[in-house]
Amino acid sequence: QTVVTQEPSFSVSPGGTVTLTCGLSSGSVSTSSYPSWYQQTPGQAPRTLIYNTNTRSSGVPDRFSGSIVGNKAALTITGAQADDESDYYCVLYIGSDIRVFGGGTKLTVL
Amino acid sequence: QVQLQESGPGLVKPSETLSLTCTVSGGSISGYYWSWIRQPPGKGLEWIGYIYYSGSTNYNPSLKSRVTISVDTSKNQFSLKLSSVTAADTAVYYCSRDNGNTAMLSWGQGTLVTVSS
Repeated sequence: QTVVTQEPSFSVSPGGTVTLTCGLSSGSVSTSSYPSWYQQTPGQAPRTLIYNTNTRSSGVPDRFSGSIVGNKAALTITGAQADDESDYYCVLYIGSDIRVFGGGTKLTVL
Repeated sequence: QVQLQESGPGLVKPSETLSLTCTVSGGSISGYYWSWIRQPPGKGLEWIGYIYYSGSTNYNPSLKSRVTISVDTSKNQFSLKLSSVTAADTAVYYCSRDNGNTAMLSWGQGTLVTVSS
């Protein structure tokens, strides 16, 4: 069974830069994994930030960017703000028309 | 701006079938993939499956035996049925409009379904 891995938690200082990663339990992430990233605050529906590795969804500020770093997908937040404190989920396409969510990263801004 | 709204019973008895509908407004259901995603209380997100407007589907292998997703283009709606539910199926259920068959783009607000007798 394919497992998508994310850091359980991360912290960043206001104004700082943080990179969250998304990997596979076996194998490497590539653009063919079509990584996407979602932000969710408590009690709210997820919001799509990035799809197709590095395409920002409509209305998403350019402080959020996606890339492949080594064998993982990455979400970088520059100039972190207090309201960036959220859960961040990645999704990978693993073939056969199947998508798998990572377990999520809880980002703290302090 | 497309909007999605989930609807259906908030309480389902164990062993029964959970049924939800997603109504799409502000755009046509045609030409897109549409997904269902769920989130148990306090836990992460799980992709359930998708349907293309033409009716082709694909499901999470872990749920495949119990899931059916259908579409009604005349009503601009698509639906989820999950059979033989247990307490483990208690979750907030979201519908989404997708980017191809690889990512969710627009989300509904979600609806909580509790499985309990």
